Amino acid sequence: DVKVTQSSRYLVKRTGEKVFLECVQDMDHENMFWYRQDPGLGLRLIYFSYDVKMKEKGDIPEGYSVSREKKERFSLILESASTNQTSMYLCASSPPGESSGNTIYFGEGSWLTVV
Amino acid sequence: AQSVTQLDSQVPVFEEAPVELRCNYSSSVSVYLFWYVQYPNQGLQLLLKYLSGSTLVKGINGFEAEFNKSQTSFHLRKPSVHISDTAEYFCAVSRVGGFKTIFGAGTRLFVKA
Repeated sequence: DVKVTQSSRYLVKRTGEKVFLECVQDMDHENMFWYRQDPGLGLRLIYFSYDVKMKEKGDIPEGYSVSREKKERFSLILESASTNQTSMYLCASSPPGESSGNTIYFGEGSWLTVV
Repeated sequence: AQSVTQLDSQVPVFEEAPVELRCNYSSSVSVYLFWYVQYPNQGLQLLLKYLSGSTLVKGINGFEAEFNKSQTSFHLRKPSVHISDTAEYFCAVSRVGGFKTIFGAGTRLFVKA
C-alpha cells in the first residue's frame, strides 16, 4: 500500500512564526501536492511538484512556499503564519502515466491552528 | 480550465435507503473523474475512478458512479447505505495528460439509524 506520512497531525503556532509541514511518501511517486481543506470550499491546491527541485504554483500559493530536495519528501512552508492560514493541510502524491489517471494518495492531514 | 460542482452540501438519509450524490463538471478537454471519501479525522481515499471505457464504474464499499458525457455529470450511487458510510465525499476532475486535480466542495453524507 502507498503510504503518505505527514509529520504532525496537530500544530498550534503563533502569528508571525515560520511553520514547516513535512511530508514523506514511500512509493517513489514523481508527483507530490499540498492542498488546503476548508469547510464549504473543498480542497484547494497550494503547490505541486512533478520532480525533485521542481515546483509549480497551484490555485492559492500566496503566503506559502515549498521545498522538494528529495523525491520522497515535500515540505510546505508558511513564512509568517497568519490566522487566516488556520486550516487542515493535506499532502498527497501520485504516479505519472495514463494507467494511474492521476490517482492521488493522501496523507492523514495536519490540523494547523494559528493564534 | 476544469471545474467541479457538487450540488448538495449535505445529504441526510436513513440506513438501508438508497443514496445519490450529485456531481457536475466543466471541461473543454478530455478528463478523468474521481470520487474520494473522507472519514472523520482522516485523509481522503479513492472510492472509484473513471478513466475510459464503460461509463458505469464500480468502486469500494458497494458504491458506483455513472459517467454521462452529454450531461457532464458523474453521480455517485449506493443502493443501500450503512451507518459506516457517514463521511464526506468529494468529486474530482483531472485533465488527461495534466498534473492537477480539481476537487468539488464536498458532500457530507449523514446516515441515520
